Amino acid sequence: DAGVIQSPRHEVTEMGQEVTLRCKPISGHNSLFWYRQTMMRGLELLIYFNNNVPIDDSGMPEDRFSAKMPNASFSTLKIQPSEPRDSAVYFCASSLGAKNIQYFGAGTRLSVL
Amino acid sequence: AQSVTQPDIHITVSEGASLELRCNYSYGATPYLFWYVQSPGQGLQLLLKYFSGDTLVQGIKGFEAEFKRSQSSFNLRKPSVHWSDAAEYFCAVAPNGGATNTLIFGTGTLLAVQP
Repeated sequence: DAGVIQSPRHEVTEMGQEVTLRCKPISGHNSLFWYRQTMMRGLELLIYFNNNVPIDDSGMPEDRFSAKMPNASFSTLKIQPSEPRDSAVYFCASSLGAKNIQYFGAGTRLSVL
Repeated sequence: AQSVTQPDIHITVSEGASLELRCNYSYGATPYLFWYVQSPGQGLQLLLKYFSGDTLVQGIKGFEAEFKRSQSSFNLRKPSVHWSDAAEYFCAVAPNGGATNTLIFGTGTLLAVQP
């Protein structure tokens, strides 16, 4: 299996621009998670989906952040407008079943100038 | 409050020495327990997991961890560290036996390996 695939690996943008991060979960997995990692706050869960339905978005920092999962094989995390404090590494993870063994993608390193 | 604690932010060991990374959690019911490793510029890779049964679990890369209910701990060990083990290690907990479908991560321990 190819694992969880995230794109792009690196994104540099200017403040105010829209940013879209993409994730393809492992085929057959039914849960998908978006995390943000920073030095100051560590690893934070932003939102997760079960069977393409958002279950808990309490970690989404502001209305500037939105996430979608239109089908079982694709999800996006969008930031509009982006701000310098959004600079971080964003990870996507997927899992199957109650044991919740999460498999992580390689992450997208976002820099907002 | 429910939490996962990794008390050691940074550890340095010599290559060939033994290693123990500490993890404590504060949840009422026995949770599912995990250790992940993150190499620089990479995502998190699962090292091992505990759901139930034998409290000593074996993982990849020669790592093992022991669940101690009385101490609410799940410490990670390796008898002989290799230079390639230098990375950041995260303990994670799925509270209530995974009922919530989320993981709570510790703040991580950064391991440096001296030649």
